[in-house]
Amino acid sequence: QVQLQESGPGLVKPSETLSLTCTVSGASISSYYWSWIRQPPGKGLEWIGYIYYSGSANHNPSLKSRVTISVDTSKNQFSLKLNSVTAADTAVYYCAREAAAQYFDFWGQGTLVTVSS
Amino acid sequence: QLVLTQSPSASASLGASVKLTCTLSSGHSSYAIAWHQQQPEKGPRYLMKLNSDGSHSKGDGIPDRFSGSSSGAERYLTISSLQSEDEADYYCQTWDTGIRVFGGGTKLTVL
Repeated sequence: QVQLQESGPGLVKPSETLSLTCTVSGASISSYYWSWIRQPPGKGLEWIGYIYYSGSANHNPSLKSRVTISVDTSKNQFSLKLNSVTAADTAVYYCAREAAAQYFDFWGQGTLVTVSS
Repeated sequence: QLVLTQSPSASASLGASVKLTCTLSSGHSSYAIAWHQQQPEKGPRYLMKLNSDGSHSKGDGIPDRFSGSSSGAERYLTISSLQSEDEADYYCQTWDTGIRVFGGGTKLTVL
């Protein structure tokens, strides 16, 4: 069974960088696209960006150039960095696998990141 | 611009059926979508991929009570024999080269 687990600090100060890692088990990270998605409290889902094992990546234009997504095939992990965070970046962050580079067929349980001083 | 539109809320009685709608933006009526369910205080779960011709493929373990259909730019999720655990938020999602898009979600209340 495919499982994804997010990890990283639950509290980040304003203007600093949010860093999260997603560890994948039950599937090779080299065979799929992998995405980060977030959900502010009480709001809907927002796609952040994806990465392929080759390193090819793309992100939501609304986040401008604050997003960096990377992959570590040796650890079967991929990571998210979001810089210059503000309170508006407070959200539950999910990682997910993409089936056929289209839709999300497996999701992590999510991790809450709060931006506050 | 690729946009998905969903009604914010829906309700139906226990044991009844309900049909949720997701509408694709103009010029995108041929696009497939996926439906995801998010129960209270849980992460999303993939339900199905739904094509423009109404054919769909469900995720592992998704009950037969969940089905999908399409008409023009509209994509539907029908849940029959509603159970209490179906009370959840339902999101549609689509994709194009380089982007992934979510609808705003529909909160389903089971009465």
